[in-house]
Amino acid sequence: QKEVEQDPGPLSVPEGAIVSLNCTYSNSAFQYFMWYRQYSRKGPELLMYTYSSGNKEDGRFTAQVDKSSKYISLFIRDSQPSDSATYLCAMTNTNAGKSTFGDGTTLTVKP
Amino acid sequence: GAVVSQHPSWVICKSGTSVKIECRSLDFQATTMFWYRQFPKQSLMLMATSNEGSKATYEQGVEKDKFLINHASLTLSTLTVTSAHPEDSSFYICSALMGLAANVEFGPGTRLTVL
Repeated sequence: QKEVEQDPGPLSVPEGAIVSLNCTYSNSAFQYFMWYRQYSRKGPELLMYTYSSGNKEDGRFTAQVDKSSKYISLFIRDSQPSDSATYLCAMTNTNAGKSTFGDGTTLTVKP
Repeated sequence: GAVVSQHPSWVICKSGTSVKIECRSLDFQATTMFWYRQFPKQSLMLMATSNEGSKATYEQGVEKDKFLINHASLTLSTLTVTSAHPEDSSFYICSALMGLAANVEFGPGTRLTVL
């Protein structure tokens, strides 16, 4: 069993839809939780990170972490065609810097 | 903002040759850099952790004699794929740690194709 499991997708939604992306994990030592966006043949770009449990909002993006359930989510409101990319969740324990990544969910937002 | 560059962005080589990939932090010092490999439609797999001035720490299953890592300065880490074979063809991505564990900047990646 993988340490980080990510809903595989792919997802295809109409422009303006709310998108929910999810990951579960098994290692209770993880304390930092990140979401990256990766366009084809490019390096990942950090979207949001959260320390421990809770919610964090940045514009149209909201990250949620539930450590008791070992479950994290990324919500995208008013999705745009430019949001079409692969989204990767990642997690790390304190100070290690080494992240464990999910397999990614490919999102397509249709105009 | 912080930028990490990689060179080359794309390389094609013959089987048996060696290829060097550079990872540079352009406007900050990175004592720790990471090297990942990504196959098509798969996630990033950590290969090794590169620390300035010391030997790299390799993940289980990664051949240290095949994937040579040198972190000679605070802004440069290199990955050399020695005696490359077609199965080494992949997307290689580096990242640099900017202090906090979650504050990592990724490079744009290098696509290696071994014929």
